[in-house]
Amino acid sequence: QKEVEQNSGPLSVPEGAIASLNCTYSDRGSQSFFWYRQYSGKSPELIMFIYSNGDKEDGRFTAQLNKASQYVSLLIRDSQPSDSATYLCAVNWSGNQFYFGTGTSLTVIP
Amino acid sequence: DAGVTQSPTHLIKTRGQQVTLRCSPKSGHDTVSWYQQALGQGPQFIFQYYEEEERQRGNFPDRFSGHQFPNYSSELNVNALLLGDSALYLCASSLGGAGNQPQHFGDGTRLSIL
Repeated sequence: QKEVEQNSGPLSVPEGAIASLNCTYSDRGSQSFFWYRQYSGKSPELIMFIYSNGDKEDGRFTAQLNKASQYVSLLIRDSQPSDSATYLCAVNWSGNQFYFGTGTSLTVIP
Repeated sequence: DAGVTQSPTHLIKTRGQQVTLRCSPKSGHDTVSWYQQALGQGPQFIFQYYEEEERQRGNFPDRFSGHQFPNYSSELNVNALLLGDSALYLCASSLGGAGNQPQHFGDGTRLSIL
């Protein structure tokens, strides 16, 4: 059974702080990992993807992957109120299906 | 550069009716996936189309069917609508045959069943 788990939150951080979002998955055979941001009433927007163990940085965002421990995380540095949204973790195993977690709600407090 | 476009934006139907949702992929993309997102949940994979064929299907009944056209656009059809089909239906496009390519979502169609 392939499952993706996220803490639903809400996670609250002050403006300028680092927000840390975590995601665990059930099957070691996973291939690729994606983070999406979803504002209320809107569709998911791709933020980052990562395929290999380690860190991948893009601007204020860093994705971290540890396949041995079966987790992937997203760090948001210098958090802004505009970062307030639900963050969805998606995992692709072999095949073409993306499995999504239920998302973590993030609130950045001015 | 046109992104993924979906139509209609909103739709209201009654139980037992049939509905067709449409999607045009991002320019340059040839693969279309459909997802159902219930309130407070993550998107659930319905199926994926590539080269005009259904390549993979999630855990959805046969009432859900689809089609992909030569220009890569796609339709999702749902027959015999149930109250539980009320959700946001998302189309995502990607490039090529590899399943690990990033998927880009359209704005979705919000379907309400009365």
